[in-house]
Amino acid sequence: QVQLVESGGGVVQPGRSLRISCAASGFNFSNCGMHWVRQVPGKGLEWVAVIWYDGRNKYYADSVKGRFTISRDNSKKTLSLQMNRLRAEDTAVYHCARDASDTPLVMDNWFDTWGQGTLVTVSS
Amino acid sequence: DIQMTQSPSTLSASVGDRVTITCRASQSISSWLAWYQQKPGKAPNLLIYKASSLESGVPSRFSGSGSGTEFTLTISSLQPDDFATYYCQQSYSYPWTFGQGTKVEIK
Repeated sequence: QVQLVESGGGVVQPGRSLRISCAASGFNFSNCGMHWVRQVPGKGLEWVAVIWYDGRNKYYADSVKGRFTISRDNSKKTLSLQMNRLRAEDTAVYHCARDASDTPLVMDNWFDTWGQGTLVTVSS
Repeated sequence: DIQMTQSPSTLSASVGDRVTITCRASQSISSWLAWYQQKPGKAPNLLIYKASSLESGVPSRFSGSGSGTEFTLTISSLQPDDFATYYCQQSYSYPWTFGQGTKVEIK
C-alpha cells in the first residue's frame, strides 16, 4: 500500500543541524511532487517546503528559507530535509506528504498521503 | 501570505448531528481549498479537495462547498469516528497555508 515513513528526528541544540528522511513505498515516487509539513505538538499545521518530481524546483516557507534544504533521491525513493541553524521554534513533528497530482508536470499543492511524522526537538 | 481562518475553534456535538465548519480566506482563492481530518497522534487525512470534490474512500456524509473567500465543511450525520480536528488549506498561492483547526468534541 501507499506509505510514507519518516525517520531521523531527535533532540538537537539550538544552532546545530539535523537531517530527516522519508521513505516512500507503494507508488511511483519519481512521478510525484513531495512536501514537508510540520506541526508543533498540540498546535496547527505549517507547510515547510516542496520539491518537484525531478528535484528541479523547490520552494520554502519564509520561516525556514536559507536554513532548510529539501532534496530527493528517486533511485532510493527517499525524501530528505536538511535543517541547519535550528531554532527553538523549529520544534515540531515533521510530516512528509505526497502532492495529490498524478501528473508529474503539474502540482496540485494539496496532500493526499501523509507520513506519521518524526519529532524534532530543539533545546539546550 | 493568504490567511485562513476557521470557525468555530471548538464545536460540541452529538452523534447524528449535522455539523458545519467554516473557513474564510483573506483573499479570493477561487475553489482551491482542501479539508483534512486529524485524530490525536495520527497524520492528517485528506477529505475534500477543490472545495467540493470528495477524496476517494471518504464517506459521503462529508461534503464541502464554497468559492472565493468563504467555504464550509459539512458532516451530514456525525458518527463516533468523526470526533477529530479538521483543518482547511488553500492551494491557490504559495506559501500554502492552513486554518488553525476546528476540534469537534462529544457533547
